[in-house]
Amino acid sequence: KQEVTQIPAALSVPEGENLVLNCSFTDSAIYNLQWFRQDPGKGLTSLLLIQSSQREQTSGRLNASLDKSSGRSTLYIAASQPGDSATYLCADRNSGGSNYKLTFGKGTLLTVNP
Amino acid sequence: NAGVTQTPKFQVLKTGQSMTLQCAQDMNHNSMYWYRQDPGMGLRLIYYSASEGTTDKGEVPNGYNVSRLNKREFSLRLESAAPSQTSVYFCASDLGGTDTQYFGPGTRLTVL
Repeated sequence: KQEVTQIPAALSVPEGENLVLNCSFTDSAIYNLQWFRQDPGKGLTSLLLIQSSQREQTSGRLNASLDKSSGRSTLYIAASQPGDSATYLCADRNSGGSNYKLTFGKGTLLTVNP
Repeated sequence: NAGVTQTPKFQVLKTGQSMTLQCAQDMNHNSMYWYRQDPGMGLRLIYYSASEGTTDKGEVPNGYNVSRLNKREFSLRLESAAPSQTSVYFCASDLGGTDTQYFGPGTRLTVL
């Protein structure tokens, strides 16, 4: 059974700092990996999707990388801002079993202090 | 485009009552999903519909039923609500296969 782990569970940084969020998965047979942002009391917003054949994806200050062989993905946030404060979740779509199923990590709660 | 919409936003039920959560998407997506989110448990898949006319169980289907009414709408029904079903319920949709998945704003359900 695929398991997705996110470390750390919570992170607090001062504004302007560059930071890295980590995501690991136990089965490397994945179709893709998706990073989401969730604000308190809200739904999930997709940030980046990396297909299994890709190494990284970039959107503005965000960069996500994927290393299937080591079962790891990282989300890099440059020049963090208070508005980046949220919970960040990663989820993979695994090729074992149904490819419609996303397996989620439990998230990293990020606080960016002014 | 409204994206994925869910109704109601909040609901309080008594044990044993029934209700239906509604979900609709306007992105012409083929696949739709229902998840529940609980503290410390993360997001877990309840049911999904890979395409119009099909539904399948996810990780935690017990106590729920679903209906894919048409391509746009996917409803989740609790026949006899239990306190263990207190949760935040999210509907999601995508084109199918390995596409980006889009989420609705959620329904916060409390069962007393």
